[in-house]
Amino acid sequence: QQQVKQSPQSLIVQKGGISIINCAYENTAFDYFPWYQQFPGKGPALLIAIRPDVSEKKEGRFTISFNKSAKQFSLHIMDSQPGDSATYFCAASPGYSTLTFGKGTMLLVSP
Amino acid sequence: DTAVSQTPKYLVTQMGNDKSIKCEQNLGHDTMYWYKQDSKKFLKIMFSYNNKELIINETVPNRFSPKSPDKAHLNLHINSLELGDSAVYFCASSPAGISAGYTFGSGTRLTVV
Repeated sequence: QQQVKQSPQSLIVQKGGISIINCAYENTAFDYFPWYQQFPGKGPALLIAIRPDVSEKKEGRFTISFNKSAKQFSLHIMDSQPGDSATYFCAASPGYSTLTFGKGTMLLVSP
Repeated sequence: DTAVSQTPKYLVTQMGNDKSIKCEQNLGHDTMYWYKQDSKKFLKIMFSYNNKELIINETVPNRFSPKSPDKAHLNLHINSLELGDSAVYFCASSPAGISAGYTFGSGTRLTVV
């Protein structure tokens, strides 16, 4: 049973465009929703995270939008750059527990 | 200084062999994890240790045995390696089971031939 569903599997965006990756979860006990960025040959690194008491969190060009009633959250990358090309994972957990990851989205930003 | 370090980075071995992967963290975290990333990039939890105690053991063949000699180290020993064990194995740590603050190592690419 996949508890965190992520889409799309892959995404190609032109430089300067907006990249949008979506995730949906089933477990209502989840209360921590991070996004991780992974470059080839490296481990995943925390990019940005949100808790359900806010609907949006922005850090630079990266924004998480959170919809508690729909049990969905998304990552928006504004002004996408070739250096943003990586695999992005959403994740969720009930706070004091192990993270469950989505299946990942391979983002390619074309120059 | 690397926060979570894994050795070796690459491991190529024959079917049937036994191998170990080592992990060390210098972040002072209490909880350590092993994740397996398959060829489709899916990250799946295998084990979780909190202060040297096993707290999560997902459905993993018992050929895989984690060992935590102290809270800064979590090693993974694999017996009788099979082709399907080929993957990238990531060690991670976090403060006292809190999912915020997960830090991953750079991975060990295991290839079984």
